[in-house]
Amino acid sequence: AQKVTQAQTEISVVEKEDVTLDCVYETRDTTYYLFWYKQPPSGELVFLIRRNSFDEQNEISGRYSWNFQKSTSSFNFTITASQVVDSAVYFCAIHGSSNTGKLIFGQGTTLQVKP
Amino acid sequence: GAGVSQSPSNKVTEKGKDVELRCDPISGHTALYWYRQSLGQGLEFLIYFQGNSAPDKSGLPSDRFSAERTGGSVSTLTIQRTQQEDSAVYLCASSLTGTNTGELFFGEGSRLTVL
Repeated sequence: AQKVTQAQTEISVVEKEDVTLDCVYETRDTTYYLFWYKQPPSGELVFLIRRNSFDEQNEISGRYSWNFQKSTSSFNFTITASQVVDSAVYFCAIHGSSNTGKLIFGQGTTLQVKP
Repeated sequence: GAGVSQSPSNKVTEKGKDVELRCDPISGHTALYWYRQSLGQGLEFLIYFQGNSAPDKSGLPSDRFSAERTGGSVSTLTIQRTQQEDSAVYLCASSLTGTNTGELFFGEGSRLTVL
């Protein structure tokens, strides 16, 4: 069975601080995909990134960066110079070959960025 | 439509009543998913459709829950004899193919409150 653990339930930072959201996953699949989604107060989940298990290169997109390490089964997400608009719930998810199309989500981390 | 559309956005019902929640996926998306998000909880998978078939309905919590999809498009999630523990936000998502390479596009959800 696959599992995603986001140990941080809530994080509060002050604007312009950097913040890292942790994600640890469990899977027996050799081929799998990892995702991050953002859920703003409006409720609609927004796709941020997809990473396949064969690509361990870190990725940077503007203020967002992701650190994928298979050795520790982690896929951490860092926001640099956080802004108030980054306040949301962030979900990490995994999809594997045995998932019949579905994503398995972590419990989510609520990020509050204060001005 | 441009995105995944769900209705109603809010539903308040009395314990024991039946409710129907509707999802209109992005045009052309063959895969459709229902998730449930309870207060303070992560996203719980309910059912996955590929076309009109449901190859994975393992997440439906009881036989009071059922879902159907017609014409490879609109899906309805039905909850019979609602209980207070059914109170949650029900999220629908669609993806182009349902393979593990595809991202899920989510609707804004239907918030169900059972009194």
